[in-house]
Amino acid sequence: GEDVEQSLFLSVREGDSSVINCTYTDSSSTYLYWYKQEPGAGLQLLTYIFSNMDMKQDQRLTVLLNKKDKHLSLRIADTQTGDSAIYFCAEHNQGGKLIFGQGTELSVKP
Amino acid sequence: DVKVTQSSRYLVKRTGEKVFLECVQDMDHENMFWYRQDPGLGLRLIYFSYDVKMKEKGDIPEGYSVSREKKERFSLILESASTNQTSMYLCASSLGAAKSSYNEQFFGPGTRLTVL
Repeated sequence: GEDVEQSLFLSVREGDSSVINCTYTDSSSTYLYWYKQEPGAGLQLLTYIFSNMDMKQDQRLTVLLNKKDKHLSLRIADTQTGDSAIYFCAEHNQGGKLIFGQGTELSVKP
Repeated sequence: DVKVTQSSRYLVKRTGEKVFLECVQDMDHENMFWYRQDPGLGLRLIYFSYDVKMKEKGDIPEGYSVSREKKERFSLILESASTNQTSMYLCASSLGAAKSSYNEQFFGPGTRLTVL
């Protein structure tokens, strides 16, 4: 069945780059998403990538997609304490639903 | 500004009670979703709806039912709450685009339900 996997925790120092990784199983996914959840809040869309792209850059965020390995990553440059949150990757499957990973809790230390 | 609201941020209920969680969106979205979020498990889909009066089971529908009488409102019902339903419940909505196209889901703030 469809599955999306992420590591649960990542800790970085302020100013460093953060890289959050995700693997998925459905090769027919059309879009892949990164959502951010701040403490006590719902999820907000951070960025997305269409499956025919390899890379997408948006200010401090870089998304890399390796379709062959079904691997997605989110890089946050110059990580700030305000970036501390849980980050979810999700794939958009043929049934029109989103399949979410477990979420990676990013902790940014000053 | 798009908005999905949920009736309560925190809720405490007793085992066996009937529980209603309400979700309202003001974006005229066709699709609405209920998820539960548990540490280490991510978001799991309980039920979703592509249209008024229409519902489909997600991955974990057991112990839950839903109601969608109006386009803007999607209710999650726990017929007889149990302690293993203690969780964070998130509602989301999206446009009813073709199933293979980009379709961002907008989330409410969540309801943290505790069943004692």
